Amino acid sequence: DQQVKQNSPSLSVQEGRISILNCDYTNSMFDYFLWYKKYPAEGPTFLISISSIKDKNEDGRFTVFLNKSAKHLSLHIVPSQPGDSAVYFCAAMWPGGGADGLTFGKGTHLIIQP
Amino acid sequence: NAGVTQTPKFRVLKTGQSMTLLCAQDMNHEYMYWYRQDPGMGLRLIHYSVGEGTTAKGEVPDGYNVSRLKKQNFLLGLESAAPSQTSVYFCASSYGLITGELFFGEGSRLTVL
Repeated sequence: DQQVKQNSPSLSVQEGRISILNCDYTNSMFDYFLWYKKYPAEGPTFLISISSIKDKNEDGRFTVFLNKSAKHLSLHIVPSQPGDSAVYFCAAMWPGGGADGLTFGKGTHLIIQP
Repeated sequence: NAGVTQTPKFRVLKTGQSMTLLCAQDMNHEYMYWYRQDPGMGLRLIHYSVGEGTTAKGEVPDGYNVSRLKKQNFLLGLESAAPSQTSVYFCASSYGLITGELFFGEGSRLTVL
């Protein structure tokens, strides 16, 4: 059973516009959420995270929103730049989950068009 | 600072052959992990280690073995490779799991014919 779902395999956005990547989760025990970014032929890199005690976290052009009641989070990129073209993985973890407590979604391939 | 280094980057095996992937980290991290990434499947945890001399199974451990004889190294072994093990393998490390922030290597692409 997939506990972290990224229902859009790909997303195409024009340069300069807002990119919104969505992620849904089913396990209400999850209390910490992360986004990772992955370029081709490279490993994923940590981008931004949010604790369940917050509903928003911002870092430059990247903002993550968390809606606990809907079990939904989203990553907003404003404005979108060509270098943002990558695969974005949503991940979630729960307290006491241990080293195997991090669950990844399948990823969304973001394509920024000039 | 090299971070997390994986070798080899690419390998082609025949069914039944064995091989070992090596992961080395220079950040003095306690935790290390092996993931595999398959098209449409995201990242799945194979095995992990919470410290030197320890290993544990992840979500998809069958067909793999691991060892953590030194804190900085984490080895992933395939005793008898199968086509289903064709994948991209990522090693990662972390200080712990408080924040879930992992540092990944560049990946190793394995093809089993």
